[in-house]
Parts: sequence; C-alpha cells; structure tokens
Amino acid sequence: QVTLKESGPVLVKPTETLTLTCTVSGFSLNNPRVGVSWIRQPPGKALQWLAHIFSNDEKSYSTSLINRLTISKDTSKSHVVLTVTNMDPVDTATYYCARILRDAYNRDWFDPWGQGTLVTVSS
Amino acid sequence: DIQMTQSPSSLSASVGDRVTITCRASQYISTYLNWYQHKPGKAPKLLIYAASSLQSGVPSKFSGSGSGADFTLTISSLQPEDFATYYCQQSYSTPLTFGGGTKVEIK
Repeated sequence: QVTLKESGPVLVKPTETLTLTCTVSGFSLNNPRVGVSWIRQPPGKALQWLAHIFSNDEKSYSTSLINRLTISKDTSKSHVVLTVTNMDPVDTATYYCARILRDAYNRDWFDPWGQGTLVTVSS
Repeated sequence: DIQMTQSPSSLSASVGDRVTITCRASQYISTYLNWYQHKPGKAPKLLIYAASSLQSGVPSKFSGSGSGADFTLTISSLQPEDFATYYCQQSYSTPLTFGGGTKVEIK
C-alpha cells in the first residue's frame, strides 16, 4: 500500500523558515519514473503546486516561490523535505505531498496524496 | 507559466444529473492533463490522467476528453458522494499548474 504522510510545525512566525517532511512508504524514491511533489491550498483557495523531485535528483519549483523553496530527498529514510524561507501570513495553507507517476511520454500525475498538514503563519 | 481556466467556478446540480466541467489551457498541452476530486478535509483524489485515462478504482461514470488546449470532465449521473471540488492540472511544462477549481453543489 502506497502512503505519504506530511509532518512539521502547525504554527510558524513571520520571517521564520518552515521545514516540512514527507515520509513515504510502499514505493521507492529510486524508481526513475516516480517522484514526490509538494502542493498547498490556502484556506478557501485553489491548489497550488510548489515543487517536485525525482530519483535522478531532477527538481523543479513554482515560478513565484523559486527564491524561497528548497526540495530534497533522503532515500535511506524515505523522506522528502521542503523548506520555505521567510514565511508570511499569506503562506498559511494546508500543505500536501503527493507521489508523482511519469509515463513514457513524460506525462506526470499525482497519486496518491498525503492527508495534508495545516500550517498557520502568525506572530 | 501555463494558465489553466476552469468553468464554471461552481455549479448546482441534482442527483442523477449529467455534469460537464471544462478546462482550457493558455497554450497547447497535448494530452498532458489530469483531473482530481477534492472533498473538504480529505486528500485530493486522482480521477483521470493523460486527459482520458480512468484511474484504477474510479467509477466509470467519470470520463475525460480533449486534446490540445480544451478539455472536459463529465460525470454521467451525479450521486451524493460526487459533491466536491474538481481541479484540472497540466504537466506539459513546469511549473505545473492547476485550474481554479469547480465546486459541485447540491441543488
């Protein structure tokens, strides 16, 4: 059974750095056609893709947040970590991690997703 | 960035109705288009990938079509468990982007 679980602080202060961990099970981070993505949803708003990482260390980031995001993986621990610097109240959101599956045409889709973790930014 | 525009942003429908949601990309994306269902407090769920492929375990009342820049998600007969928000998402190029969502509500 494939599962992903997000963990991290529920409350951070403005200007602080957020570190979130996605712990995966049931699949390998070494699979060349598998990756992990981070996606967030501010309250009442749409889903927003943040970043992804693949087994070959291919990484990509949201254009609007590229200067604040870092994604990394620890294959031995089955962890994918996202850091977001200089947090602001507008970054308050539910943060999800999801497995990415990639087909032979390099089409990607997210399945499954973790349950998400709500992060609030407030002083 | 490729912009994804969904319409309508919300709709009211009755149990048994046929519902169609559209998604338009700001440029050509071939069949690099996926659909998700999202219920409050739950993880989003993949319904359709590669524009028209039904994800394993998803009921056949869900179908996707389209290619190029225009896509549709159809629910053939709406059931109470289908009331949710639906999102399209493109993977033609990074950054990956989602549509704004379509909230399907009970009439």
